[in-house]
Amino acid sequence: EAQVTQNPRYLITVTGKKLTVTCSQNMNHEYMSWYRQDPGLGLRQIYYSMNVEVTDKGDVPEGYKVSRKEKRNFPLILESPSPNQTSLYFCASSFDGQVSNQPQHFGDGTRLSIL
Amino acid sequence: LAKTTQPISMDSYEGQEVNITCSHNNIATNDYITWYQQFPSQGPRFIIQGYKTKVTNEVASLFIPADRKSSTLSLPRVSLSDTAVYYCLVGDSRMDSSYKLIFGSGTRLLVRP
Repeated sequence: EAQVTQNPRYLITVTGKKLTVTCSQNMNHEYMSWYRQDPGLGLRQIYYSMNVEVTDKGDVPEGYKVSRKEKRNFPLILESPSPNQTSLYFCASSFDGQVSNQPQHFGDGTRLSIL
Repeated sequence: LAKTTQPISMDSYEGQEVNITCSHNNIATNDYITWYQQFPSQGPRFIIQGYKTKVTNEVASLFIPADRKSSTLSLPRVSLSDTAVYYCLVGDSRMDSSYKLIFGSGTRLLVRP
């Protein structure tokens, strides 16, 4: 089954404790992206990757890092999490970098709470 | 800077047609317009995509006028299970040649019995 898998689904942690949210897709997609979703703000793009070793900032990249060492994986790293990063996070993938005309496949989300 | 605008919420009744409009004044020449549906605790799900005029699939239709500055998602004969948030998505080609995807703020559709 074609899917985007995020882990963990839920995490409560404390300020400053590094964490990683993993994202994996089994569709051999080139393009992957991370979004955060906050009440009243919709989905905002954090980082995206056009292919292996190619990443770029989205609209809200501050406080986040990503890497794309393998095509299927695109982890989101919070080196020093802060309470304002408490949010619902989604990973997505699409066939290639022509994202304007390619449907994106989304994971089920990761709810992070930073105390 | 592309910006999309949608109504915050809409109410409807089962069996009615629902039309949700999205404004995107600065859409780039090569951009498509894509709509997603999101249920609580789930990721957005692709509904339909188009470039101009009209596109129809098994769940919805998408109407795009000639100037492409807006688009309308049409859901025929909605049911209770269509209660969800609907997002309009266009690209955003920036002056620095970067390219970002912009989601609208979403329209919360409530379908009543």
